Amino acid sequence: DIQMTQSPSSLSASVGDRVTITCRASRDMITYLNWYQQKPGKAPKLLIYEASTLQSGVPSRFSGSGSGTDFTLTISSLQPEDFATYFCQQSHSTPFTFGPGTKVDIK
Amino acid sequence: QVQLVESGGGLVKPGGSLRLSCEASGFTFSDYHMAWIRQAPGKGLEWISYISGSGRTIYDADFAKGRFTISRDTAKKTLYLQMNSLRPEDTAFYYCVREVGGAYFNNWFDVWGQGTLVTVSS
Repeated sequence: DIQMTQSPSSLSASVGDRVTITCRASRDMITYLNWYQQKPGKAPKLLIYEASTLQSGVPSRFSGSGSGTDFTLTISSLQPEDFATYFCQQSHSTPFTFGPGTKVDIK
Repeated sequence: QVQLVESGGGLVKPGGSLRLSCEASGFTFSDYHMAWIRQAPGKGLEWISYISGSGRTIYDADFAKGRFTISRDTAKKTLYLQMNSLRPEDTAFYYCVREVGGAYFNNWFDVWGQGTLVTVSS
């Protein structure tokens, strides 16, 4: 199985901060990497697919980059509604695996 | 609007069975691949099973093979997950998801149900 890691596991930030989350895969993913946001008590929500394509309706302050084994999710200016947990997910091969998550909370 | 609504979760004893259902609306169900994903309380996300739009192709995670069976009924626009021989470690929220993108890879989960909680305990 492909192993996914994320760093950091949690971070504290302020509204307006630039936030960067890293996801690393144990094998070359090409760009088969997706990002999701989950708020407490809610289902995850797709943010970015194919490493850098913004899902319809997702604010442009979210962006993704990377290829191969290293990927990044960036929030350019953190907003109050962005405090949540973020997961990466590989779609290179089954079983489709997720990273352990990065919790973003208020500083 | 596009929606997935799960049902069928609950409390079950170890070794017991449960069938989860997921009713789809707002899109042509047969056009989309579907999957089940679970999340133990306070933990990460775990992919369980995939089924193609036609229902002819199925992939399962190793832990699901022989115990869990994914299926779909196009006429009822409903996805199912039959779970047998349940264990305490199967306790989780179970999400029904719509899958888009590639046929078997390079895909993503663009619509999620609200989740249904399965608790396995004596």
